[in-house]
Amino acid sequence: ETGVTQTPRHLVMGMTNKKSLKCEQHLGHNAMYWYKQSAKKPLELMFVYNFKEQTENNSVPSRFSPECPNSSHLFLHLHTLQPEDSALYLCASSQDNRANQPQHFGDGTRLSIL
Amino acid sequence: GQNIDQPTEMTATEGAIVQINCTYQTSGFNGLFWYQQHAGEAPTFLSYNVLDGLEEKGRFSSFLSRSKGYSYLLLKELQMKDSASYLCAVRDSNYQLIWGAGTKLIIKP
Repeated sequence: ETGVTQTPRHLVMGMTNKKSLKCEQHLGHNAMYWYKQSAKKPLELMFVYNFKEQTENNSVPSRFSPECPNSSHLFLHLHTLQPEDSALYLCASSQDNRANQPQHFGDGTRLSIL
Repeated sequence: GQNIDQPTEMTATEGAIVQINCTYQTSGFNGLFWYQQHAGEAPTFLSYNVLDGLEEKGRFSSFLSRSKGYSYLLLKELQMKDSASYLCAVRDSNYQLIWGAGTKLIIKP
């Protein structure tokens, strides 16, 4: 496999459920990102990991919890979400987080909160 | 604050040329990216500009004027498969990527 793979592609959950989103990259990159994409809004950067260390946390509510066990895998743990959290969650990777390298994206997880 | 402006939606005809504009106000500048995103799919990298001028890549070209805080993406010989959203993003002085909301391009036969 090549590129950035996200699972699941679609997720429907209740507000009290706990679920996790998974991202895996096969590009040998050192930086990984979680974004939230809502309709007609700019991509919102949530978390950045560079060489497995979290370097950015853009005021994201604690009901979203990231985990980066190694440079190829990134998780987003979800707990007690709100209806406004329904969105497309995109994972991306790049060579590192400071170089002028493009980010490579996965197809995203479409999350719906009931 | 930091801001990226692009038109929300544009319509063009198959075989024609379309120009999608992007203006930005950011704290510093370390390059501008254009991405294409088809509905339900990942954004894919199209172009990168860091110096003023035109970068040509096949049917797609991207232009940058740093003094004007302005870029455009030019698509020639439009095909139906070019129907997508086009995202403009600027890397600021902290190397953060600041994203526009995207321009939805509709191609008509």
